[in-house]
Amino acid sequence: DQQVKQNSPSLSVQEGRISILNCDYTNSMFDYFLWYKKYPAEGPTFLISISSIKDKNEDGRFTVFLNKSAKHLSLHIVPSQPGDSAVYFCAARTHNAGNMLTFGGGTRLMVKP
Amino acid sequence: NAGVMQNPRHLVRRRGQEARLRCSPMKGHSHVYWYRQLPEEGLKFMVYLQKENIIDESGMPKERFSAEFPKEGPSILRIQQVVRGDSAAYFCASSPAGLETQYFGPGTRLLVL
Repeated sequence: DQQVKQNSPSLSVQEGRISILNCDYTNSMFDYFLWYKKYPAEGPTFLISISSIKDKNEDGRFTVFLNKSAKHLSLHIVPSQPGDSAVYFCAARTHNAGNMLTFGGGTRLMVKP
Repeated sequence: NAGVMQNPRHLVRRRGQEARLRCSPMKGHSHVYWYRQLPEEGLKFMVYLQKENIIDESGMPKERFSAEFPKEGPSILRIQQVVRGDSAAYFCASSPAGLETQYFGPGTRLLVL
């Protein structure tokens, strides 16, 4: 029972172009969403988050969009850089379930020079 | 400004042995979380602890696994009588309080022979 799904296991983008990573969820109780980036042999690094009361949050080259009616969020990276090549995880939590994060399976982004 | 520390980074055990994984949270953080990542999968929540208290252990296997976060010293995830299926990366995260962003350590990669 995967409550958070990242349906694209991998994505390849040219340097300078936009990368769009997608995430779908099924639990309507989720009220906070996060994106983490992970390099091999390292722990996940926090990138950006969004509360369910918003539909967009921006931080530099990273923007997260939330569509609650579709239970869908996306991470946009503009412009993409080779150093962005990593696995990206979307995660979600519910207020009444403490701070437990439910993660998607990850999308491997490859940015080609 | 040290981040979350985990040791050992790699641990090899034979079936039936015990594995002890340690996690020191970021300075000022009193909440610790453990997650497990099986190969080619996302991270799965195991347990959430505060100093001397287990807050949520809904993701912990019922047998052989235990966790503690004593008043002094690191949090410990203990796996007794390890089996090959326990081979995974174990990540610890910390936050300053509940419902705050979690910051992850580099992980411990456990291999059971």
